[in-house]
Amino acid sequence: KNQVEQSPQSLIILEGKNCTLQCNYTVSPFSNLRWYKQDTGRGPVSLTIMTFSENTKSNGRYTATLDADTKQSSLHITASQLSDSASYICVVSAILSGTASKLTFGTGTRLQVTL
Amino acid sequence: DGGITQSPKYLFRKEGQNVTLSCEQNLNHDAMYWYRQDPGQGLRLIYYSQIVNDFQKGDIAEGYSVSREKKESFPLTVTSAQKNPTAFYLCASSFWAELSNQPQHFGDGTRLSIL
Repeated sequence: KNQVEQSPQSLIILEGKNCTLQCNYTVSPFSNLRWYKQDTGRGPVSLTIMTFSENTKSNGRYTATLDADTKQSSLHITASQLSDSASYICVVSAILSGTASKLTFGTGTRLQVTL
Repeated sequence: DGGITQSPKYLFRKEGQNVTLSCEQNLNHDAMYWYRQDPGQGLRLIYYSQIVNDFQKGDIAEGYSVSREKKESFPLTVTSAQKNPTAFYLCASSFWAELSNQPQHFGDGTRLSIL
């Protein structure tokens, strides 16, 4: 069964500090891994997409890493801001056939950045 | 601005009543999706559509119905057969042929509650 597990479930950090969120998956055959940011009461917004051959991808202060061998990914947030307070969702895409794929969503890490 | 519009933002349903959630996109995307989000769970796929006049069941289609008469629109009806409809419903769209490496764009959701 395809699964995506995220840790920690929630996290509180001080503004300006860095943090790292973890994602472990058991999805196959693997196509790509995505990180989304979801503000409370809003829809998720894409941060990064990484394929099998990519180890690192950055989007501003967000840097995602992927280790396809150990089936682990991390999202590192640098110099956190109050606006980073949100849920971060890891999503793994599995190839079904041809161009068809299936997404498995993690339950998210709830990040709160405080003063 | 291109994007996905979901309406209404909040919706209340009486017992035995069908309700329809609206989703419109102007991104010229081929594929559209409906997800359900419950606390502590990852997003679950209800229905998806690759092209006009065609749609497929997702993982939790029971008690729901959809139509795709126009490329821009993908309304979801929550029928009285859905016994636990209280949830946050998210609509998304993407380019189907390149789904593997293209992000899904999400609307801001509709929160459905039972009166």
